[in-house]
Parts: sequence; structure tokens; C-alpha cells
Amino acid sequence: QKEVEQDPGPLSVPEGAIVSLNCTYSNSAFQYFMWYRQYSRKGPELLMYTYSSGNKEDGRFTAQVDKSSKYISLFIRDSQPSDSATYLCAMSEGFQKLVFGTGTRLLVSP
Amino acid sequence: EAQVTQNPRYLITVTGKKLTVTCSQNMNHEYMSWYRQDPGLGLRQIYYSMNVEVTDKGDVPEGYKVSRKEKRNFPLILESPSPNQTSLYFCASSLIGRADTGELFFGEGSRLTVL
Repeated sequence: QKEVEQDPGPLSVPEGAIVSLNCTYSNSAFQYFMWYRQYSRKGPELLMYTYSSGNKEDGRFTAQVDKSSKYISLFIRDSQPSDSATYLCAMSEGFQKLVFGTGTRLLVSP
Repeated sequence: EAQVTQNPRYLITVTGKKLTVTCSQNMNHEYMSWYRQDPGLGLRQIYYSMNVEVTDKGDVPEGYKVSRKEKRNFPLILESPSPNQTSLYFCASSLIGRADTGELFFGEGSRLTVL
């Protein structure tokens, strides 16, 4: 079993939809949770970063962590075609070692 | 502009021919790292460096070497490339206090094909 599981997609939605992206994990020692966005032929860029449980909001993006269920989510409101990318979750115990999910490909059609 | 620069971006080579992928950052970051990205496997760490002359193995270091002689540069060396090293490689950097919380800056990637 992988430490971090992420559905590869693709997830196709119409413009304006609410998107929910999720990851599950098995290591209860993870404390830091990140979402990276990766456009085609580009490197990942940090989108959201959360410590421990709870919600964090940044514009149209909301990151949610449920440590009791070992489940993290990224919600995108009013999705735009420019949101089409691969979204990678990542998590860390806090000792230089990041574990990445395999990424979910999102397609937002106009 | 703050950036991590990798070269070459694309490379096709043959088995056994030594090659080096360069990585340079202009943000004065102490922490630098190399990852490879493969379909279905995600990003896996090859080597990382906490500072000049300090390097350590990641999850998949076999077949790779690194050096950190200057703070800004962290080259990845494949002494004798093999086809299973065909992959997309990313260099990343961070401030030392941010590295373990995942706030990494990534380069644009180097796609390597070993025939």
C-alpha cells in the first residue's frame, strides 16, 4: 500500500463548477499537508500549505485536512479553464522528507 | 526573477554515456533536492542537500551522484545511465526552515531519455 493515495483522474468539469480533489494517507505522523499545481511541461508550484487539521482558504481555493480520517481535500470554487492542470498532494512529518501523491489531472472545459 | 534553472530541458542519450544535469537557484536557498517523476509513481526524491558540502540520499539514489560545492548549484550526475533512468527530473530548492514543511520551489524539469 502506498503511503499516499490519489486518484489519477482525469477529472473533467464544466467552467464554474466546484471541484473536489482528494488524497488519503496511511502515516499518522504526517503533520504538514500541501497541494501543488503542475501545468503541462512545467514544474510543480505550491498552491496551499496547511499544518495539522482544519481548513485554510485562499481565494477560490480551500484546503481541508481531517487527520482522524487520514484524508485531505482541495476545493476549487468557480473553476476556470486556467485551472486545468495536474494537482499533487504532498505531506511531511517535518523532517525534510516529503511524500507526494501521484497527482490528479483536472480538465475544466469552457 | 526568483527561479530554479535546470539544463538541459531535454536530452536523449545512450546507455553508459555519462551525463550531468545542472541546477541553479538565485534565491540564496540552503536546501536543494532532486526528484524524478514517473507515471503512476509520482515524484520521488533522489538526493537532497541541506547546505554546501552536505548531501544525503533520498528514496531512489541508486545510479545517481550529486555534489554541492556552491550554495546556488546542485548538479545531478548519472555516471553510467541505463534505460530505467528515463524519466522527468526536477530540481527544487527552499529556505532551510521551509524545506521540511514542503514549501519548495521547483525548476521546469529535464526530460531524459536513455536508449
